[in-house]
Amino acid sequence: AQSVTQLGSHVSVSEGALVLLRCNYSSSVPPYLFWYVQYPNQGLQLLLKYTTGATLVKGINGFEAEFKKSETSFHLTKPSAHMSDAAEYFCAVSEVDSSYKLIFGSGTRLLVRP
Amino acid sequence: KAGVTQTPRYLIKTRGQQVTLSCSPISGHRSVSWYQQTPGQGLQFLFEYFSETQRNKGNFPGRFSGRQFSNSRSEMNVSTLELGDSALYLCASSPGVPSYNEQFFGPGTRLTVL
Repeated sequence: AQSVTQLGSHVSVSEGALVLLRCNYSSSVPPYLFWYVQYPNQGLQLLLKYTTGATLVKGINGFEAEFKKSETSFHLTKPSAHMSDAAEYFCAVSEVDSSYKLIFGSGTRLLVRP
Repeated sequence: KAGVTQTPRYLIKTRGQQVTLSCSPISGHRSVSWYQQTPGQGLQFLFEYFSETQRNKGNFPGRFSGRQFSNSRSEMNVSTLELGDSALYLCASSPGVPSYNEQFFGPGTRLTVL
């Protein structure tokens, strides 16, 4: 069965520092990949997605992620953290055969120190 | 365009009762998915509906059921509530196949079972 692993339930960075949130998936066939963000007391919002094509994907709020098939990874990065980036981030995958569902990782809570 | 709305936002029930949660998707979206979010299990897929048909179901007991109406609004029902059903229930709508299209999430219904 498809699974997603997010390393680190909590990541703390200083404002202005690089943000790196890790995501690895298990699949013999490259799936579709997503990063969502959840702010307190809100639903999830899509940051970016990879389906096909260019492996470096740019999303909203300055985030980007790179699909690396050889490493089965889809890590999320942002060059300079802002206080407003503090939230929980979820990596998700789906099968390319359109199973109509997403499998989410356990989430990483990003803390931004002033 | 209005976002995904979920009602009620908060609900308190006692064990053994049943509950119905409602979701109104974004206008024009025909796919509605439901997820359960808990601190221990994270985000888990419940089911997905498209044009009143359930296309996929997650690994939940039969106490969890849902339906979709002709206007794409969806409801989920949980019967014989257990303490472990306490969770945030998220609804998401999508313009197409949710496996590779963006899903738009509502703010969720926070269910507490006493």
